[in-house]
Amino acid sequence: AQSVTQLDSHVSVSEGTPVLLRCNYSSSYSPSLFWYVQHPNKGLQLLLKYTSAATLVKGINGFEAEFKKSETSFHLTKPSAHMSDAAEYFCVVSPPMDTGRRALTFGSGTRLQVQP
Amino acid sequence: EPEVTQTPSHQVTQMGQEVILRCVPISNHLYFYWYRQILGQKVEFLVSFYNNEISEKSEIFDDQFSVERPDGSNFTLKIRSTKLEDSAMYFCASKQRNTEAFFGQGTRLTVV
Repeated sequence: AQSVTQLDSHVSVSEGTPVLLRCNYSSSYSPSLFWYVQHPNKGLQLLLKYTSAATLVKGINGFEAEFKKSETSFHLTKPSAHMSDAAEYFCVVSPPMDTGRRALTFGSGTRLQVQP
Repeated sequence: EPEVTQTPSHQVTQMGQEVILRCVPISNHLYFYWYRQILGQKVEFLVSFYNNEISEKSEIFDDQFSVERPDGSNFTLKIRSTKLEDSAMYFCASKQRNTEAFFGQGTRLTVV
């Protein structure tokens, strides 16, 4: 079984300040973890992924996330927010990626607002 | 860059009508999925499909739902008799064995 908890439904930051979106997971195996972003009226775009290699993962648009097994966390960070980062962010867990038949489990999402 | 494409982008249908949502996965992918997102709620898994059969489905995916890969390129989701609560954004996704899932832009289904 697997589950994901995104601790904040809304996060508001000022442009140029750091972003932290929190995610905790639960899994009975070594999971793969992802962050997807959804801009208004758009599909789901992969930001970054963790698949049991390096625990600090860098993604697109300056985002990164750190896998901490002891804390069962996979928080998403960015040093400096940009207006274009305003979107919905989903933390997603899956079984190891070679078991492709199994489904992804999505967190409930965090809406990021960026104030000018 | 290859991408998953979904048609139509918007579909409005009357309650009780059948709808077919269409997806063209990335051509060399082997695993196919449908997810849905009711407005304001989380993305929910519906069904996964591999080797021409359903490999996993959620409790949402009842007898009103079916999937098909009719011609080796399309992957369709059919809802036989739509209900108001089927209104949602439906996402198709595909993946290779050791890659992440690639999602389409979604089809917004509105049942009136």
